Amino acid sequence: RKEVEQDPGPFNVPEGATVAFNCTYSNSASQSFFWYRQDCRKEPKLLMSVYSSGNEDGRFTAQLNRASQYISLLIRDSKLSDSATYLCVVTRGDTGRRALTFGSGTRLQVQP
Amino acid sequence: SAVISQKPSRDICQRGTSLTIQCQVDSQVTMMFWYRQQPGQSLTLIATANQGSEATYESGFVIDKFPISRPNLTFSTLTVSNMSPEDSSIYLCSVAGRAKDTQYFGPGTRLTVL
Repeated sequence: RKEVEQDPGPFNVPEGATVAFNCTYSNSASQSFFWYRQDCRKEPKLLMSVYSSGNEDGRFTAQLNRASQYISLLIRDSKLSDSATYLCVVTRGDTGRRALTFGSGTRLQVQP
Repeated sequence: SAVISQKPSRDICQRGTSLTIQCQVDSQVTMMFWYRQQPGQSLTLIATANQGSEATYESGFVIDKFPISRPNLTFSTLTVSNMSPEDSSIYLCSVAGRAKDTQYFGPGTRLTVL
């Protein structure tokens, strides 16, 4: 079983749509959780951290359910520029090392 | 966030040779990381490089194959030794961000081994 599992997609949605991505992780010792965005042939960029209380950044809302080991990302009012691969990322749990484990990513294509 | 550069941005190498990739950061950072992203796959951590100590390698990666240097707080190198076509990948360095457990990535080095 992969440590971080994501639906690879692609998710093809029209502009203005709301789209949700989910992710599950296997290591209950993971402490920190993130969504990264990776454009084609570019490096991953931090989109947002994810907290149990839920957090919002503009059109993006992230949620963490520790009991279910489940992370979500909601994108409202999708823009063409949101087209990218979204990577679910968790820390490995070995304190002090800050090692990250990446999911394989969910590809989003927003269409005009 | 820190500005991170990598050299070379890409290279095509022959089997059996070695390539050293450089990572330069515009500010001093304690922790630097090296990742590999194979075609169509996500990132896998190779090793953690802290200044003044030996790099810590992940399972499946060994120092003889991927020697790492960390001579100061703004620079690191990763060498891919005795390359084979299976080493064709993007190699990325990253640094720890200020926010807890965050990391920021360099632009990557795209390596093709023939």
